[in-house]
Amino acid sequence: SAVISQKPSRDICQRGTSLTIQCQVDSQVTMMFWYRQQPGQSLTLIATANQGSEATYESGFVIDKFPISRPNLTFSTLTVSNMSPEDSSIYLCSAGGSLGYTFGSGTRLTVV
Amino acid sequence: DAKTTQPNSMESNEEEPVHLPCNHSTISGTDYIHWYRQLPSQGPEYVIHGLTSNVNNRMASLAIAEDRKSSTLILHRATLRDAAVYYCILRAYTGANSKLTFGKGITLSVRP
Repeated sequence: SAVISQKPSRDICQRGTSLTIQCQVDSQVTMMFWYRQQPGQSLTLIATANQGSEATYESGFVIDKFPISRPNLTFSTLTVSNMSPEDSSIYLCSAGGSLGYTFGSGTRLTVV
Repeated sequence: DAKTTQPNSMESNEEEPVHLPCNHSTISGTDYIHWYRQLPSQGPEYVIHGLTSNVNNRMASLAIAEDRKSSTLILHRATLRDAAVYYCILRAYTGANSKLTFGKGITLSVRP
């Protein structure tokens, strides 16, 4: 199965700023996803990162707040824009495979 | 999306078998039953999946009811490292609906 490198692993950011999270997969994958996991909660899907086209966002998530890039079949970025303390969470990247999906270890974001 | 229902938590003793139940009464004919687990401070990891027949791999076994409205993840000998949140997820075979939608999962505690 694919191996995912996600960075940064954690960051503390000032409100009003933006953070870009990178997700690198060690093999070409068709599907990549971005999730958010708030403390003590389950994972919530933010969007599907589509290669060569705009990401597909889930209800409650918009491109202006969470712009996503997917320039090729092994890489994607998620930007958390104009951050507020409510954006403090763990953000996880996932990549699809024939057997199952692999997840990165997550980016722990704290907004102060 | 078809939904799954799991108990909130379960306790087990080390080296004993564990049966984690999942109800999915609205499952469609093209939905696969997937199980993932999330260890503390890690991203989810794939455990096992199946469609109609029971499945075994090195991590666990998956028993699927004949009507497919329920399934059970079986850990044959629980270890302390198996303490995690286990998610039962229905996933469509292909296409835009191949995303994983996480429920609350079941928290497994293992007593030494």
